[in-house]
Amino acid sequence: QISLKESGPTLVKPTQTLTLTCTFSGFSLSTSGVSVGWIRQPPGQALEWLALIFWDGNTEYSPSLKSRLTITKDTSKNQVVLTMSNMDPVDTATYYCVRRLKTIIRGFDHWIFSDPWGQGTAVTVSS
Amino acid sequence: DIQMTQSPSSLSASVGDRVIITCRASQDITTNLAWFQKKPGKAPKSLIYAASISQSGVPSRFSGGGYGTDFILTISSLQPEDFATYYCQQYYIYPLTFGGGTKVEI
Repeated sequence: QISLKESGPTLVKPTQTLTLTCTFSGFSLSTSGVSVGWIRQPPGQALEWLALIFWDGNTEYSPSLKSRLTITKDTSKNQVVLTMSNMDPVDTATYYCVRRLKTIIRGFDHWIFSDPWGQGTAVTVSS
Repeated sequence: DIQMTQSPSSLSASVGDRVIITCRASQDITTNLAWFQKKPGKAPKSLIYAASISQSGVPSRFSGGGYGTDFILTISSLQPEDFATYYCQQYYIYPLTFGGGTKVEI
C-alpha cells in the first residue's frame, strides 16, 4: 500500500529556512521511472509545482523559486526533503508531496502524478 | 513557461447536470495533460492523464479529451461529491504548470 506523509514546522518566521520531509512507503525511489515532487497551494490560490527528484538523483525546480529550493532524497529512509530559504509571508501555503511515475502510451513517455498524494502540511510564515 | 488557462473560473450547476471545463495551453503540448480534483482540506486527486485516460478508480462520468492546445474535462452527470475545484496541468515541458482552477459550485 502506497502512502506519503509530509512533516515539518507549521509556523516559520520571515527570512528563515523551511525544511519539509516527505516520508513514503510502498514504493522505492531507487526504482527506474519513479520520482517524487512537491506542490503547494496558498490559501485561495491555485496549485503550484515546486520541485522534483528522480530515482537517479536528478532534480528539476520551478525557475521562479530555484534559487531558494533544494530537494534531496534518502533512499534508505524512504524520505525526500525540501528546503526553501528566505521564507516570506507569500510562501504561506499547504505543501504536498506526491509520487510521479513514467508510463508509456502509444510509444510516448508520460510522466504523471499518481495517487495517493500526501495529506499536505500547512505552513504559515509570520513574525 | 507554458501558461495554462482554464475557463470558466467558476460555474454553478445542479446534480445531474453535464459540466464541461476547458483548458488551453499557450503552446502545443500534444496530449501531455492531466486533470485533478481538489476539495478544501483534502489532497488533490488525480482524474485524467494523457489528456483522455482515466486514472484507476475514477468514475466513468469523468472524461477528458483534446490535443495540442485545447482540452476539455467533462462530467457527464454531476454528483454531490463532484462539487470541487478542478485543475489542468501540463507535463510536456518544465516547469510543470497548472491552470488557475475551475470551481464547480451548486
